[in-house]
Amino acid sequence: NAGVTQTPKFQVLKTGQSMTLQCAQDMNHEYMSWYRQDPGMGLRLIHYSVGAGITDQGEVPNGYNVSRSTTEDFPLRLLSAAPSQTSVYFCASSYGVRGDEQFFGPGTRLTVL
Amino acid sequence: GQQVMQIPQYQHVQEGEDFTTYCNSSTTLSNIQWYKQRPGGHPVFLIQLVKSGEVKKQKRLTFQFGEAKKNSSLHITATQTTDVGTYFCAGPGDGNKLVFGAGTILRVKS
Repeated sequence: NAGVTQTPKFQVLKTGQSMTLQCAQDMNHEYMSWYRQDPGMGLRLIHYSVGAGITDQGEVPNGYNVSRSTTEDFPLRLLSAAPSQTSVYFCASSYGVRGDEQFFGPGTRLTVL
Repeated sequence: GQQVMQIPQYQHVQEGEDFTTYCNSSTTLSNIQWYKQRPGGHPVFLIQLVKSGEVKKQKRLTFQFGEAKKNSSLHITATQTTDVGTYFCAGPGDGNKLVFGAGTILRVKS
């Protein structure tokens, strides 16, 4: 099993550009989520999904869109990148909804100029 | 919404000293999880506590869940350089969310 994979590992964008961060898992997990990590602020939940076709907002959803068309994939879209979105982004998945071990991907380091 | 607070934010210890990080929730938790993130890496699950007053050990790591299920601690005995990293606690939030604390960064001087 590859576990949770994320692409790209690094990305530099200019303000206003759009892009999609990819996340995939091969463990047949129902629950998937996106976090951003900024110094001193821990992991903040952006969006999450409890299954294919179902998504919901986390703590900091503004500026981000998600979709979950399959169990395996959970892409995160930045519609118009802003410098405030410079961060490290982690995708995670788990069997259950909240009480199960989260498996994290290796992360995407994004810089918005 | 539910908040999870962790202290201290940062701790620098001499190798061989003990280390403790504390996690406090604004609401009662059904369970609490602990994760470790090595520098440059991703968070990795360590343990989950479910019962009131539960204590679990993993080698030199001791995890406790408070009687009221609103606080938890992670204690490392005789730190080693391999313990370096950020330690996070996490608990269920509103709806289907998992809320993480801000983390405690541990640095170990050899």
